[in-house]
This record gives sequence, structure tokens and C-alpha cells, in this order.
Amino acid sequence: ETGVTQTPRHLVMGMTNKKSLKCEQHLGHNAMYWYKQSAKKPLELMFVYNFKEQTENNSVPSRFSPECPNSSHLFLHLHTLQPEDSALYLCASSQGPEDKSYEQYFGPGTRLTVT
Amino acid sequence: GQNIDQPTEMTATEGAIVQINCTYQTSGFNGLFWYQQHAGEAPTFLSYNVLDGLEEKGRFSSFLSRSKGYSYLLLKELQMKDSASYLCAVRDSNYQLIWGAGTKLIIKP
Repeated sequence: ETGVTQTPRHLVMGMTNKKSLKCEQHLGHNAMYWYKQSAKKPLELMFVYNFKEQTENNSVPSRFSPECPNSSHLFLHLHTLQPEDSALYLCASSQGPEDKSYEQYFGPGTRLTVT
Repeated sequence: GQNIDQPTEMTATEGAIVQINCTYQTSGFNGLFWYQQHAGEAPTFLSYNVLDGLEEKGRFSSFLSRSKGYSYLLLKELQMKDSASYLCAVRDSNYQLIWGAGTKLIIKP
């Protein structure tokens, strides 16, 4: 238990569906992250929020839409996804992106399958 | 471009020692991290190096050479529970983490 929870743990959706992933951290951290993890590939950073403000968007397609209502909650809204979007989506949090030796705490991930 | 290289898979024997290497080419350097990820679980922090040398933490040690763009994770007295993927990540000049693809470590009895 890392103090970061994600729901749902597994999600199967069609290409025309709309769904949302939820992340919550109980660590009092200021920064939250969305990552995509595909088999045998490096973690891909998607979005970074620092004090609820989006500071990074790594050229992510618009079919992925993040939302950060407060420092403890992060959502990833999904619509009209493609089969290649099937992956493990990880949420993480940290004290802050620029703290000297911060570590990121990860949630267990949502295994997404797009059919 | 930025690149982190580590072996895809390694096999070792219970009770033995294994060294997992990581080489990197990044825009700037603000620290190197090692994470452990068991199958189906979240990555968990193992170690952080920002200065050259060896950092020891129980059975695990991590080494860094900034001039060579090189790090390794050393695992001693291997246990079956050490079977996992080990991820190397470097924080670049923009404080972004650049990740390797991970090394899957298989421990055999």
C-alpha cells in the first residue's frame, strides 16, 4: 500500500465509449502524474499537475483529457480510444517535481483494454 | 534524443548476487532512481543517486558514475521475492524523469 489508490483496476471499453480513471493520494503531496506503461516499453509520462495546475502535457492525443480538481485527486477522461491505447495506466504523486531527492509514489494502475 | 538502456531480462540463482546495469544519455542530470515493480503491481522506490559512488541499503546497493553515464543496482543474497522488474530512471535538466524499459529479473531456486 503506497498511499495512492486507483480505480478501476481493470477496464474494458469499446472505441466509442467514454470512461474515466480515478486516482487519489493520501500523502499530502503537491504533484500528481499520469503514466502509460506498455509491455516492454519505458514508462511514458502523459501529464503532470503541480498544485492543481497542469505543467506538462507530453503531446498526448486529445482523446485523453486530464482533470485535477484538487491536490489529492486526479482523473483521466477517455473517449473514442484506439486499440493501441490498451496499456497499464499508472498514477503517481510526489512532494513536488523540483524537490531535490523526491521519489514518486505509484498507484497499482488501471489495466485498460480497448476493443 | 534522450535514452536509457538496461538489459531486457536477467536470470540469477537464489542466494547469489546480481548486478543490473543502466546507461543513460540525457539532457542534463539531476539524479538517478531505481524502482522495483512486481508483476501486476505499482513500481516502488528503491534508491536515489545524485553524486558518484555507491549507496548501500541493506541487500541492495546502487552505484553511479556521472562521467560515464552509468549506474548499476546490486542485489545480494537473492531471495525468490526479488523476482521482479527493475526500472532505471534519470531526472533531466527539466526535472522530468526519463525511464528505461526495465529489466525483468528471474530468480531460480
